[in-house]
Amino acid sequence: DAGVIQSPRHEVTEMGQEVTLRCKPISGHDYLFWYRQTMMRGLELLIYFNNNVPIDDSGMPEDRFSAKMPNASFSTLKIQPSEPRDSAVYFCASRASGSTYEQYFGPGTRLTVT
Amino acid sequence: GQQLNQSPQSMFIQEGEDVSMNCTSSSIFNTWLWYKQDPGEGPVLLIALYKAGELTSNGRLTAQFGITRKDSFLNISASIPSDVGIYFCAGSGSSNTGKLIFGQGTTLQVKP
Repeated sequence: DAGVIQSPRHEVTEMGQEVTLRCKPISGHDYLFWYRQTMMRGLELLIYFNNNVPIDDSGMPEDRFSAKMPNASFSTLKIQPSEPRDSAVYFCASRASGSTYEQYFGPGTRLTVT
Repeated sequence: GQQLNQSPQSMFIQEGEDVSMNCTSSSIFNTWLWYKQDPGEGPVLLIALYKAGELTSNGRLTAQFGITRKDSFLNISASIPSDVGIYFCAGSGSSNTGKLIFGQGTTLQVKP
């Protein structure tokens, strides 16, 4: 079975540019999570969706960040405009509904903003 | 809010040694999960625990859900070089928000 798919794996962009990260969750999973990982702050939850609806976006750092989930098999995280402090690894994770909380992570997108 | 304290932050051990790490929570958790992250990859789920006192094994890995429901332990027996990585605990409390709280991670290095 295919796991969570993220693209691109690496992104290098200049400050001020728009960045779009993409995620395809595991088929049949109802929840989708976007995380950011840095050395200083560890793994931070940015936003999560349930049945394509954003449930909690309290972790989104600023208005420059936005996330969408137009259907059950696709989500995007957009940063506009990007800044050097946005450099991090961004992970997407998904899980099935039910009594367990097991999240399955994608390989991540390493973003570098110069 | 809920917080997790994971210790130790890092470990440097000899191949063949056993390893122990733990997580403690400021509040009661209903689920504990342990993940491993290899360099350049996403965290991979190792073990999931759902009941207080539960002891679960996955090969050389054994994890326990603490009786108080505020802690969890992960043990690795007879470590090998491929055990190198960052180990994260994660938990979910009674608020049932669907979110996981993650520990800061334990970085494990194994000397052949």
